[in-house]
This record gives sequence, structure tokens and C-alpha cells, in this order.
Amino acid sequence: GDSVTQMEGPVTLSEEAFLTINCTYTATGYPSLFWYVQYPGEGLQLLLKATKADDKGSNKGFEATYRKETTSFHLEKGSVQVSDSAVYFCALVLTGGGNKLTFGTGTQLKVEL
Amino acid sequence: DVKVTQSSRYLVKRTGEKVFLECVQDMDHENMFWYRQDPGLGLRLIYFSYDVKMKEKGDIPEGYSVSREKKERFSLILESASTNQTSMYLCASSQTTGINQPQHFGDGTRLSIL
Repeated sequence: GDSVTQMEGPVTLSEEAFLTINCTYTATGYPSLFWYVQYPGEGLQLLLKATKADDKGSNKGFEATYRKETTSFHLEKGSVQVSDSAVYFCALVLTGGGNKLTFGTGTQLKVEL
Repeated sequence: DVKVTQSSRYLVKRTGEKVFLECVQDMDHENMFWYRQDPGLGLRLIYFSYDVKMKEKGDIPEGYSVSREKKERFSLILESASTNQTSMYLCASSQTTGINQPQHFGDGTRLSIL
């Protein structure tokens, strides 16, 4: 079946450090890929998305590139802030999949001063 | 902005009770979803609905049912609550079945079954 695998957390970084959160997927068709973020005590918010191979999604300084050859969608940010502390979820939806998302298990990011 | 409102942030119920979790969205979205979120398991889809009075089972529907009598409201029902249903429950909605339409989430209901 379709699945998303994320690196386990927590990931702890100092402010202004470079962030990478790995995400790989397995899908029977051609998925669209998403990153969602969950701040403490809140629901999930869409962070960025990419709908086809080589697309780059970006938002709030975060970026992720859809790599079909490696079935990956790694999240990166050049300089993290304390306010980026949250749980990050990678997810996919298949074309014709009726907008049903398959989520990874989430990666907690902690940014310290 | 889309607003998805879940009726309770925290809820405590007893084993065997019938539990209702309510979700309302204000953007006339066709699609609505119920997930549960557990540590180490991420989000798992319980039920979803593409239209009024329509429902589809997700990945883990056992022990749950849903109701969608009006377009804006999607209720999750625990028929006879059990301790293994203690979890965070998240409701989401989206505009169409198009793959580029993001899902918008509520803030969640943390349910404890004693």
C-alpha cells in the first residue's frame, strides 16, 4: 500500500542552524506531496506542496523538492528560529485518490536559543 | 480564512458511554474527514464524507460511526467508548476532490476514556 516514511525525532537545533527533515514515500500511482506543520496545542496547517516531479514547494523560508527518482520530498530551511518549533508531517495524495491523505508519523523539531 | 471548529478541546468520558465529537466548517466545503492522532503513529483516517448523508470508511473505522446531516457539520460517534479510543481527534475539510486542494484542520479534541 501507499506509505510515507519520515525521520524520527525529536530533532533539536540551535537557532539559525540549517534544517533537513527527510521524507520518502511509496505509492502505486503518481502522488502529490505535502508538508503540514502542527504547532503546540493546534491543528495541522498546510506548509507547502508539490504536485509533480521536480516541483519545488516553498513557504515561510521552508522548501521541499519532489524527487521522483529517489521518491523523496525532504524539508529544508536555511536558518531556523525558535518559533519553528513544532511537529512536521509529510503526506501524499494519489491522483484519483479522492483527496485522501496518507501521513507520515511526524517529526518533532525543537529549536533552542 | 477557512475555519474548522471542533466542539471541545478536552473531553473525559467513561468506558461504555456513547460519545459524540462535533465538527463544523464555515467555507461550504464538500469534503470532511475525521482522523485520530497517536504518538508514533501519525494521523490515521477514521471516516470521510464527500457530501451530505454520504460516508466512506477510512483506514481504522472499527468502533466508530459518523453522521453528516448538513454540509457544514460532520459528527464522529463512538458507539461504546473503550480505553483504546483515548486519543487526539482531528477534523478536516477541503473544497473539492481535486488533488491540489489542501485539507484545513481544526484544533483537535483530546479525548480520554476512563
